[in-house]
Amino acid sequence: ETGVTQTPRHLVMGMTNKKSLKCEQHLGHNAMYWYKQSAKKPLELMFVYSLEERVENNSVPSRFSPECPNSSHLFLHLHTLQPEDSALYLCASSRDSNYGYTFGSGTRLTVV
Amino acid sequence: AQKVTQAQTEISVVEKEDVTLDCVYETRDTTYYLFWYKQPPSGELVFLIRRNSFDEQNEISGRYSWNFQKSTSSFNFTITASQVVDSAVYFCALSEFRNTGFQKLVFGTGTRLLVSP
Repeated sequence: ETGVTQTPRHLVMGMTNKKSLKCEQHLGHNAMYWYKQSAKKPLELMFVYSLEERVENNSVPSRFSPECPNSSHLFLHLHTLQPEDSALYLCASSRDSNYGYTFGSGTRLTVV
Repeated sequence: AQKVTQAQTEISVVEKEDVTLDCVYETRDTTYYLFWYKQPPSGELVFLIRRNSFDEQNEISGRYSWNFQKSTSSFNFTITASQVVDSAVYFCALSEFRNTGFQKLVFGTGTRLLVSP
C-alpha cells in the first residue's frame, strides 16, 4: 500500500462522543501533519510531528488530542467537540524540510 | 509573516479554453518554496509542482504551465485547453527554507475551477 491513508472517510458524532481519526503512511516519511479545512477558510495547520515528536501545536483547543505512536501512524483523538469543529481533517506527511507534502483524502467530520 | 493570496474564488470556463489561476505571496525570506496542489471532489490534495525561490524559469508540463515572477511576488498557473477533469479546487502554498526535518506550508484560500463541456 502506498500514499497516505485516512480512516474513516466520513464521521458523524455527537458533542459528547469520543472518537479518533487515523492516518497511516508507508512512504518512509519522517514528519506528519494534521490540517483542518473549513468552508471558505484557508487550510489551518493544527499539529506537526517530526520523528514522532510533536514540534508544533497551533493553539488548537484541548478537545483535539494528537498521538504519534510511530513514524507511520498518526491519530487525532476527539472529545466534546462543538458544531463549529465540523470540517475536513487532512493528514499529510513529508520526507524532509523542503519537498512539500503528500496528503491523505481526509476525514469529513460532522458534529451534531 | 508569510501569506498567500488567491484572489479568484471561482472561475468557470468552457472546455478547451485556456485559464490562468493567480497566486501572490508575501515573505521576508530570501529562500523559500512555492507549491501548487489540486483538490478534486474526492478531497485529497494532489501535488502539482514545487519551485524554489532561486529558480525563476517557467515550467511546462503537458497542458500545465507555471509563471514565477519574483519581481511581482507571483506564481501563476495556466491550464491550456482545459478539460472537464480539470474541475477542482487549486491551492497555492508557500514555505520557508528549513533544515529541521519538517516544514510548514502556508496555503491560499484556493480557487475553484469549473470546466463545463
